[in-house]
Amino acid sequence: NAGVTQTPKFQVLKTGQSMTLQCAQDMNHNSMYWYRQDPGMGLRLIYYSASEGTTDKGEVPNGYNVSRLNKREFSLRLESAAPSQTSVYFCASSEARAGNTIYFGEGSWLTVV
Amino acid sequence: GENVEQHPSTLSVQEGDSAVIKCTYSDSASNYFPWYKQELGKRPQLIIDIRSNVGEKKDQRIAVTLNKTAKHFSLHITETQPEDSAVYFCAAQDWGKLQFGAGTQVVVTP
Repeated sequence: NAGVTQTPKFQVLKTGQSMTLQCAQDMNHNSMYWYRQDPGMGLRLIYYSASEGTTDKGEVPNGYNVSRLNKREFSLRLESAAPSQTSVYFCASSEARAGNTIYFGEGSWLTVV
Repeated sequence: GENVEQHPSTLSVQEGDSAVIKCTYSDSASNYFPWYKQELGKRPQLIIDIRSNVGEKKDQRIAVTLNKTAKHFSLHITETQPEDSAVYFCAAQDWGKLQFGAGTQVVVTP
């Protein structure tokens, strides 16, 4: 039981390049999330998927797209990376949207130069 | 939407002393309040949570209190140890999104 697994762990991109962060969970959770973490700003929600087949914007969705491929997988895509997207990205999942523990992946360190 | 403020941003305590972190929230509909601990370079992990029908919850050296009238909740760590050094995040949720505070860097000095 690996929990939440995300790849890659580290990535350096040039401005304008695109990339996809992959995330999978093996806990049979319904809800999945993508957060970004910047110094002094806590964890900010980019997009979430309350259940398979649905996705919704979070607090900071601009510059990102997501795909809930199936119940297990939730990917985050940067179409044209910008230096402002340099951050640590965490995928997470929970059994349901409300009142349930959110389990985080190990994080992906992304640098855009 | 929900807004969560967390204080202090940094907290230095002597080993064995207590640490208290306070959070306020804006949405009176919020009913779930978890606390996460994040060690350097690691993922955030849940350490304790409380729901709106409970005023206090304790787990060994960690306790959380909730005052729904005043819309604030606090984390208390007693008998602090060096392994308690980390960043702690509070969060608040209604039936929608989980909103995190900005975090508190706790440093426990021997």
